[in-house]
Amino acid sequence: QQPVQSPQAVILREGEDAVINCSSSKALYSVHWYRQKHGEAPVFLMILLKGGEQKGHDKISASFNEKKQQSSLYLTASQLSYSGTYFCGTEGDYKLSFGAGTTVTVRA
Amino acid sequence: EAGVVQSPRYKIIEKKQPVAFWCNPISGHNTLYWYRQNLGQGPELLIRYENEEAVDDSQLPKDRFSAERLKGVDSTLKIQPAELGDSAVYLCASSHAGGFVSQYFGPGTRLTVL
Repeated sequence: QQPVQSPQAVILREGEDAVINCSSSKALYSVHWYRQKHGEAPVFLMILLKGGEQKGHDKISASFNEKKQQSSLYLTASQLSYSGTYFCGTEGDYKLSFGAGTTVTVRA
Repeated sequence: EAGVVQSPRYKIIEKKQPVAFWCNPISGHNTLYWYRQNLGQGPELLIRYENEEAVDDSQLPKDRFSAERLKGVDSTLKIQPAELGDSAVYLCASSHAGGFVSQYFGPGTRLTVL
């Protein structure tokens, strides 16, 4: 069963912040985050393992609350290069399921 | 380091025709995945290989889809016969370890079935 992402889309101006949420109805072992630009392959951003850790990649960070079976991706001081569709992938029962994605558009 | 290579990049076929996609993973990556991505959706796993062994093919429509990974390196995904609903982007990914770690995706093959 695929995770649910929200919002479906967000429009930002450069320098603004955004949060993308990912939730699952199943117990999770880990959460993966990828970014895909139009017509390109998904690119790995980070993996979070159960234990509630928070990881960061430049000004993109994420948290994982295994009790709530949720993860959030934080885009801080957004740049034009952050535009794309962000997918969370949730791992449970030895399967990785991707959400439908959140399209982020950053404007100058 | 070369990334995941896929060919062809685009394929247009008539329904009921066969089609095959090829993938060469990153050197040294033992795990290979085939995904299907429909427009506006996330990738959906079709099959996962650990070396030559298909360890998860539960979501592969076996009546028309088949895959192989001879010698545990490159892989081929086949559809025979193709249906209109098979139109999608087929992505190949690889990772350096078994289980779920960071995956590296290829550029995909965009299949259009007419």
